[in-house]
Amino acid sequence: KAGVTQTPRYLIKTRGQQVTLSCSPISGHRSVSWYQQTPGQGLQFLFEYFSETQRNKGNFPGRFSGRQFSNSRSEMNVSTLELGDSALYLCASSFRTSGGRRTGELFFGEGSRLTVL
Amino acid sequence: SQQGEEDPQALSIQEGENATMNCSYKTSINNLQWYRQNSGRGLVHLILIRSNEREKHSGRLRVTLDTSKKSSSLLITASRAADTASYFCATDSRPPETSYDKVIFGPGTSLSVIP
Repeated sequence: KAGVTQTPRYLIKTRGQQVTLSCSPISGHRSVSWYQQTPGQGLQFLFEYFSETQRNKGNFPGRFSGRQFSNSRSEMNVSTLELGDSALYLCASSFRTSGGRRTGELFFGEGSRLTVL
Repeated sequence: SQQGEEDPQALSIQEGENATMNCSYKTSINNLQWYRQNSGRGLVHLILIRSNEREKHSGRLRVTLDTSKKSSSLLITASRAADTASYFCATDSRPPETSYDKVIFGPGTSLSVIP
């Protein structure tokens, strides 16, 4: 069974640009969660998508957005990049029942490391 | 705000010793999970303990959960240099504004095992 795949692994952007990160979950997982990890703030929850709908959201500005496609792949977008957006962005997939109940743990990808200059 | 808080923030031990990390949280939970992260990599799930369980074992790992004190501990016995990593506790709970639970991570404990 293939694991969670995140692309790209590394990217460098300049302030004001926008970036799109992609996450392909484990086959059969329809829930995708996104986290931002920085040395100062640790792992911060961004949002979670299940069955193409955002189900939970963290405390991030509207510049951070996401979506999920019918094949469960998810993308997150950050617009008008700021220096403080430099971070490791982690995606995690998990299994939820059709009723939305999560039955186990999160499976993480290797992350996308974003550097904003 | 983060749900879980670990202590200590950093721990350095000799190979063969036991390592204990503690986690406290604030609200009721469905379950509590522990993860490990090697430098700059993705997180790997170690163990999940449900709110109605008090103790769980997996190999050299032992996790306890005290819901009355809202705390958990992770014990790694007979540590090895390869155990050097950051360890995170994470709580799975349902926010009041939604019917979907979410997983929130603590700040982590950095463990160094010296050969």
